[in-house]
Amino acid sequence: QLQLQESGSGLVKPSQTLSLTCSVSGDSISSPGYSWTWIRQPPGKGLEWIAYIYQSGSTQYNPSLESRITVSVDRSKNQFSLQLSSVTAADTAIYYCASLESLRHCRGGNCYSVDSFHIWGQGTLVAVSS
Amino acid sequence: DIQMTQSPPSLSASVGDNVTITCRASQGISSYLNWYQQHPGKAPNLLIYAASGLQSGVPSRFSGGGSGTDFTLSINGLQPEDFATYYCQQSFTVPFTFGQGTRLEIK
Repeated sequence: QLQLQESGSGLVKPSQTLSLTCSVSGDSISSPGYSWTWIRQPPGKGLEWIAYIYQSGSTQYNPSLESRITVSVDRSKNQFSLQLSSVTAADTAIYYCASLESLRHCRGGNCYSVDSFHIWGQGTLVAVSS
Repeated sequence: DIQMTQSPPSLSASVGDNVTITCRASQGISSYLNWYQQHPGKAPNLLIYAASGLQSGVPSRFSGGGSGTDFTLSINGLQPEDFATYYCQQSFTVPFTFGQGTRLEIK
C-alpha cells in the first residue's frame, strides 16, 4: 500500500528557501502510472496546487509560483523534493505531497482518464517568520 | 486559470439527510473533475474522479454528476463521519485548481 511522508524545516525565515522532501513507501517511485505532486493549504484556507513531476522527470509548475519553485526526484532514495525560494509570510501553509494518477472512468459510452490526487501524505506545517 | 466556484460555502444538515453540493467551472472542463473530503487536521481524501467515478473504498452513498461547467456531489443518508469540508478540483488544464470548499456541519 502506497504511503507518503513529508519532512523538512517547519520554520523558515523570510527571503530564505523552503525545502521539503516526500518519502514514498509501499512501491517504487519509478513504478509506471505515478507522477508526484505538491499541494499547499494556508491555515484555515483552501487548497493550492504547486507543481508535479512526471516519471520522465519533466515538470509542470503553477505559473503563480513558477519563478520560485524547483521539484526533483531522487530515485535511489525513493523520494521527491520541493524547494521554494524567496519565501514570505504568504507562503506559510501546510504542505502536502501526493501521488498524481490518471484514473479512468466510463459513462454514457465515453471514457475519461483524469489526473487525480490519489494518495496524500499527512502534511507538514511550514511557517515563514523571522 | 480556470476558476472553480462551490456552493454553498457551508451547509448544516442532520444525520440521515440527503445533501447536494455544486461546483461550477469558469469554462468547460468536460468530465475532468474530482471531489475530495477533508476532516479537520487531516489530509484530503479522494472521493470521486472523472465527475462520477467512485473511488475504491468510498461508500456508495456518495455520488457525483455533471459535465461541462456544472457538477454536483450528493450524499444520500448522511453519516456522522461525513461532516467535513468538501473540495472540487479540475484536471482539465494546468494549473490544476480547487474550489474554495464547502463545509458540511451538523445541525
